[in-house]
Amino acid sequence: NAGVMQNPRHLVRRRGQEARLRCSPMKGHSHVYWYRQLPEEGLKFMVYLQKENIIDESGMPKERFSAEFPKEGPSILRIQQVVRGDSAAYFCASSPGTGYYGYTFGSGTRLTVV
Amino acid sequence: GENVEQHPSTLSVQEGDSAVIKCTYSDSASNYFPWYKQELGKRPQLIIDIRSNVGEKKDQRIAVTLNKTAKHFSLHITETQPEDSAVYFCAATAAQAAGNKLTFGGGTRVLVKP
Repeated sequence: NAGVMQNPRHLVRRRGQEARLRCSPMKGHSHVYWYRQLPEEGLKFMVYLQKENIIDESGMPKERFSAEFPKEGPSILRIQQVVRGDSAAYFCASSPGTGYYGYTFGSGTRLTVV
Repeated sequence: GENVEQHPSTLSVQEGDSAVIKCTYSDSASNYFPWYKQELGKRPQLIIDIRSNVGEKKDQRIAVTLNKTAKHFSLHITETQPEDSAVYFCAATAAQAAGNKLTFGGGTRVLVKP
């Protein structure tokens, strides 16, 4: 079991560019969650998805951020026109579904905006 | 929505001493409380969890206690070792509802001094 796979591990973007972060959940997990962690801070919920459905995007900034989890392929977190304040670690987690499950986190993507 | 408060934000202990981290939650519907350990530059990893029908759970040197009435839960680490140095996060969710979305506390940075 390869665990939750995130790529890239490190991503550098210039201000105004687009960032695309990918997450493949653990085998058998149908629920994906994205969290953002600013330097020296906690884990802030962004969005929760199942295949082809956004279930809860209450933590997503209203502009420039979007997420998808297509029928085939990984979940994608997309940040358009990045700004310096987007620099953070973005963690993806997956779970089998509702129930008494803790998440399994991926290794994260560390986005640096220069 | 759920709100989780975590204290202290930093904790320095001498090797061999005990460490205690406390969390409070706001949503009485929350019934599942996992704890995560995050080493520098790495992913958060689940170390122990507790369900609301249990008051205490132990796993070797770590234990969690839960007081549903007061809506608080705690992590206890006994006989601390240098490898226990990390950031610890508590979390809460209403399992089997809301997609098992975890709300995290702000984290406690634990430093074990040899």
